[in-house]
Amino acid sequence: DAGVIQSPRHEVTEMGQEVTLRCKPISGHDYLFWYRQTMMRGLELLIYFNNNVPIDDSGMPEDRFSAKMPNASFSTLKIQPSEPRDSAVYFCASSAATYGYTFGSGTRLTVV
Amino acid sequence: GIQVEQSPPDLILQEGANSTLRCNFSDSVNNLQWFHQNPWGQLINLFYIPSGTKQNGRLSATTVATERYSLLYISSSQTTDSGVYFCAARDGGAQKLVFGQGTRLTINP
Repeated sequence: DAGVIQSPRHEVTEMGQEVTLRCKPISGHDYLFWYRQTMMRGLELLIYFNNNVPIDDSGMPEDRFSAKMPNASFSTLKIQPSEPRDSAVYFCASSAATYGYTFGSGTRLTVV
Repeated sequence: GIQVEQSPPDLILQEGANSTLRCNFSDSVNNLQWFHQNPWGQLINLFYIPSGTKQNGRLSATTVATERYSLLYISSSQTTDSGVYFCAARDGGAQKLVFGQGTRLTINP
């Protein structure tokens, strides 16, 4: 398996633009997680899905953030409109119920 | 929710030295993982260790769930071991991992 695949690896965008981050989990994993990492706040869980259904989105900062999982092999995290304070590394991870997480390589987002 | 604390926050060693990193958690857990974030930012899964001891080459980990701590041992450190080591725990029936703040390890040649 190729592991968890995220795209793009780097994204630079202007304030106010829409940003879409993509994730392909490991086949057979039924949980998918979106995390954000910043120097100030460390690794924070934004939202997670079980069998494509959002279970806990309490970490989503505000309405500008949305996440979808239309099928078992694909998820998106969208920010609209983006702001400079959204600059961070966004990680996607997947797991099977009783096993550990596997993280993707992350997307480094810079909003200028 | 569960709290995860790591110590020390920073550790600087010479190549060849041994090190022990500690992770304390506030409540019973059903998943404890150690990750290494390398200088390129990748989070590499080192161990999935809710209890007991595991070894992988120069690295080993021990979790004593009843006493709510886990230890990561690195022997004969190499410069490639540098980076941040994270401990993360999942509590009870929840699925989300809660991360500690990490230990930044620097191995000097």
